[in-house]
Amino acid sequence: DIQMTQSPSSVSASVGDRVTITCRASQDINRWIAWYQQKPGKAPNLLVYATSTLESGVPSRFSGSGSGTAFTLTIGSLQPEDSATYYCQQANSFPLTFGGGTKVEIK
Amino acid sequence: EVQLVESGGGLVKPGGSLRLSCAASGFTFSNYSMNWVRQAPGKGLEWVSSISSRSNYIYYADSVEGRFTISRDNAKNSMYLQMNSLRAEDTGIYYCARLHRGTYWSAYWGQGTLVTISS
Repeated sequence: DIQMTQSPSSVSASVGDRVTITCRASQDINRWIAWYQQKPGKAPNLLVYATSTLESGVPSRFSGSGSGTAFTLTIGSLQPEDSATYYCQQANSFPLTFGGGTKVEIK
Repeated sequence: EVQLVESGGGLVKPGGSLRLSCAASGFTFSNYSMNWVRQAPGKGLEWVSSISSRSNYIYYADSVEGRFTISRDNAKNSMYLQMNSLRAEDTGIYYCARLHRGTYWSAYWGQGTLVTISS
C-alpha cells in the first residue's frame, strides 16, 4: 500500500500569510494526488487534483505542485475562511490512501 | 446541481449488519464511478470502497474486504454499502462521493451518515 505522510500536522498563521502543506508518498505516484479541505461538521471539498489542477470554483490562492513522491499544497494569502483541515489523497493505485491531515488555524 | 444523500446509519451491536444507501441526483448517475469514504470520530479520512459506473470494477480497503459489499442500481440512481460482521472500529461517518469521470478523485460528497458500533 502507498503511505501518504502529511506535514505539518497543524499550522497557525496570520491572515495574508503564505501557508505550505507537504505530502510525501512512499513511492512514485505519477502526479496522481488530490487535496481536500474539510471544515468541522462538513464533508470534505475537493480543491486540487492531478497535482496542480484547480477544481472549478476554488479560489486561485490555492495551488498545488510536486512530482514523484513529494507534493505541496500552497495557500498563497491565507484568509479567515481557510481555517480547516486539509488532506492529500493518492489515486495512483488501490487502495486509495489519504494523508493524516493538516489543521490550519488563523492566529 | 449534484446531490448525494446517504441514509441507513445507526447504532448496531458488534457482529451486526447495516445497509447504507446513497441517493444521487443532478447528474447522469450511470456515467460515474462512486466511492465510499469513512471518518472515525476525531480522525482522518479512510477510503472504504469504489465501484465503477457499470459495476465491473470493484475495490475494497483491506480493513473491510470480506465483510462489506458495495453495489449500485443505475436504474434507481442509487449506491449501497452492505456492512456485515461490524466491529467497533467501523464506527464513524460514512460518506458517498461521486468521482471525476475517469479518475479516482472524489469530486462531490454527500453529507454523511453516522454508523455507531457499540454494545
